[in-house]
Amino acid sequence: DAGVIQSPRHEVTEMGQEVTLRCKPISGHDYLFWYRQTMMRGLELLIYFNNNVPIDDSGMPEDRFSAKMPNASFSTLKIQPSEPRDSAVYFCASSLGTPNTGELFFGEGSRLTVL
Amino acid sequence: QKEVEQNSGPLSVPEGAIASLNCTYSDRVSQSFFWYRQYSGKSPELIMSIYSNGDKEDGRFTAQLNKASQYVSLLIRDSQPSDSATYLCAVSGKLIFGQGTELSVKP
Repeated sequence: DAGVIQSPRHEVTEMGQEVTLRCKPISGHDYLFWYRQTMMRGLELLIYFNNNVPIDDSGMPEDRFSAKMPNASFSTLKIQPSEPRDSAVYFCASSLGTPNTGELFFGEGSRLTVL
Repeated sequence: QKEVEQNSGPLSVPEGAIASLNCTYSDRVSQSFFWYRQYSGKSPELIMSIYSNGDKEDGRFTAQLNKASQYVSLLIRDSQPSDSATYLCAVSGKLIFGQGTELSVKP
């Protein structure tokens, strides 16, 4: 079975540009998570969805970040405008059932560099 | 205080030794605890989960949980160079991850 699929794998952009990261969760999984990983801050939860509905977006750093899940097989994380401090690896993960008992399956990540 | 704290390491152990990784958490109502392994340049993968006080063993891995002390640990017996990775502790609720402990197993 295909795992969580993220695109692009690498993105280099200039400050002020819009960035869109994409994620396809594992079919049948009802939870989807967006994380950001940096050396300084580690792995931070940005937002998670249950059955396509955002449940907790308290980790979204500011209004420049937005996430959508229009259907069960697709989610986007958008940064507009991007800033150099947004440079990080962004992971999407999905799980079946409540995250309290389930296993998170991570995608390979999207490495974002903002110049 | 961070919600989940780990020593960042690096922790270096010789091949065949026991590696001990520790994690403390601040939310007393947390019920589920997880250890993820992340190889350099790769994504995290789940290796252990624990829900009750005490020990849980899976092959060379043992997870230990003490809810009264808000402490969870991971022991790796007979450490191998292939165990060299960053180990992330995660706590339920919102699946908050610690900073991770980098483990290096020297041949």
